[in-house]
Amino acid sequence: KQEVTQIPAALSVPEGENLVLNCSFTDSAIYNLQWFRQDPGKGLTSLLLIQSSQREQTSGRLNASLDKSSGRSTLYIAASQPGDSATYLCALSGGYNKLIFGAGTRLAVHP
Amino acid sequence: EPEVTQTPSHQVTQMGQEVILRCVPISNHLYFYWYRQILGQKVEFLVSFYNNEISEKSEIFDDQFSVERPDGSNFTLKIRSTKLEDSAMYFCASRTGVSDGYTFGSGTRLTVV
Repeated sequence: KQEVTQIPAALSVPEGENLVLNCSFTDSAIYNLQWFRQDPGKGLTSLLLIQSSQREQTSGRLNASLDKSSGRSTLYIAASQPGDSATYLCALSGGYNKLIFGAGTRLAVHP
Repeated sequence: EPEVTQTPSHQVTQMGQEVILRCVPISNHLYFYWYRQILGQKVEFLVSFYNNEISEKSEIFDDQFSVERPDGSNFTLKIRSTKLEDSAMYFCASRTGVSDGYTFGSGTRLTVV
């Protein structure tokens, strides 16, 4: 059974820092991995999708990597801003159907 | 950018009542899903729907729940007799194909009193 773990659970940093959020999973047989952002009480906004044949994806200040052999993905946020404050969720798709989510990393970036 | 639309954004219902949560997926998407998130917990899979039938459901998705795609645009989740523990945020999602990313709606917050 696939298990997804995100470390750290919470992170508080000053503005301008570069950050690494970690996601680990137990079963390397995945179709793709998707990082989402969730603001309090809101929906899920897709940030990056990495398909199983890819190693990384970049969008603006965000870079996500995928290492299936070690069961790990990282989300790198460059030059963090207060507007980046949110919960970041890692989710894996193992096939036709469900996404399996981690519990998230709650990020606070203070001015 | 195309969106998944969910209505209502918030619904309060009495225990034992039936509720229908509505979703309009992105028009060219073929796979449809419902997830839920109880306050403070992980997002959990409920059900997936493809080609007008359920393709997978979780243990949560018991006989109290049903899904329907009544026309070419809407996708609904019905809870027949709500319980207090059904209180959660319910998310609809859709995607084009099995190797594509998911697009989520903004959710319906269901409160059962």
